[in-house]
Amino acid sequence: DAMVIQNPRYQVTQFGKPVTLSCSQTLNHNVMYWYQQKSSQAPKLLFHYYDKDFNNEADTPDNFQSRRPNTSFCFLDIRSPGLGDAAMYLCATIRWQAGANVLTFGAGSRLTVL
Amino acid sequence: ELKVEQNPLFLSMQEGKNYTIYCNYSTTSDRLYWYRQDPGKSLESLFVLLSNGAVKQEGRLMASLDTKARLSTLHITAAVHDLSATYFCAVDIPSGSRLTFGEGTQLTVNP
Repeated sequence: DAMVIQNPRYQVTQFGKPVTLSCSQTLNHNVMYWYQQKSSQAPKLLFHYYDKDFNNEADTPDNFQSRRPNTSFCFLDIRSPGLGDAAMYLCATIRWQAGANVLTFGAGSRLTVL
Repeated sequence: ELKVEQNPLFLSMQEGKNYTIYCNYSTTSDRLYWYRQDPGKSLESLFVLLSNGAVKQEGRLMASLDTKARLSTLHITAAVHDLSATYFCAVDIPSGSRLTFGEGTQLTVNP
């Protein structure tokens, strides 16, 4: 059963039209992450939550915002998407696996900007 | 700033051959992860290495960690086509709970 669920899986938007991506987790963990992965690149951390404590990476553009209304849900808002924001957006939380905390990812939301 | 470097970035190999992917990192850390990503898919956790000298094996893949050298290896034994994917190593920064990923190694196993 999926532990991190992302919606939508595919999102097409127009240049400048706001987009919201959602993520839910069934692990009830207090940490959630948003990563951006562009084609053929490594995932790049945008921000993470520890409970409701929001932690923004220094180089995350202001165009990206996030909300976490409760433990289970987290949203990524892109206020004015540009062509350079086309990417896979990965949500993650932590799962106990093989004696360690392991970052566990959702299936991702692929954003296309026209 | 933590840097994580993998090599090679691209690897094309024949079925049945052995090869090793290397992951170097720049800052002290004793937690290293290996992930697999198939095209268009998300990342799947393969191994967690938690201490110096740790070795984990699953099928044809074996991962090891040398924290003194700041080096991890992912060894592939007798490769099969199903192993074709991109493999990422990732290191947890000392203060914890945030991973920095290497650039990924795109592996293609040819019949």
